[in-house]
Amino acid sequence: KAGVTQTPRYLIKTRGQQVTLSCSPISGHRSVSWYQQTPGQGLQFLFEYFSETQRNKGNFPGRFSGRQFSNSRSEMNVSTLELGDSALYLCASSLDGGGGNSPLHFGNGTRLTVT
Amino acid sequence: AQSVTQLGSHVSVSEGALVLLRCNYSSSVPPYLFWYVQYPNQGLQLLLKYTTGATLVKGINGFEAEFKKSETSFHLTKPSAHMSDAAEYFCAVRRGGNKLVFGAGTILRVKS
Repeated sequence: KAGVTQTPRYLIKTRGQQVTLSCSPISGHRSVSWYQQTPGQGLQFLFEYFSETQRNKGNFPGRFSGRQFSNSRSEMNVSTLELGDSALYLCASSLDGGGGNSPLHFGNGTRLTVT
Repeated sequence: AQSVTQLGSHVSVSEGALVLLRCNYSSSVPPYLFWYVQYPNQGLQLLLKYTTGATLVKGINGFEAEFKKSETSFHLTKPSAHMSDAAEYFCAVRRGGNKLVFGAGTILRVKS
């Protein structure tokens, strides 16, 4: 079974631009979560989608948004990029909505560099 | 609120020595706890999880962890370190749905 796939692996953008990152979960998984990883702040939760509905949202500005499609694939968008948005963005999928024992499975991430 | 504290941002052991990575959690309800490992330029790989039941949890690559409610701890151990264990390790607690709260991470160095 294929794992969580994130595209692209690397991105370089300029301040003020916007970016869209894509995540394909493991087949059959309905929950997709996004995390930001930086050396200073560590791993921080962005948001979670389950069956196309956002269930949880972290403490990030409204420039960070996401969505989930009917096939469970997810995208996250960051508008008006700032230097501080440079990070590794990780997507994770899970079989259930968190009430059971299914763990999160992570992709290899998208490395975003904002110049 | 649930949070996780990992003691020691860097741990160095010799090959063949015991690995002990410390994790303490704070939670008002019985927690779901996880250990993940991250190799350079990769995502997170699940090592093991504690949900309910047996407090000694065995994971992949010879790692195990023991849930101790009285000490609010979930330390990760491996009897004999291997060079391939060098990586960064994260302890995490599940907080609502599939939201994980992670510790700051511990970088494990294995000396030959």
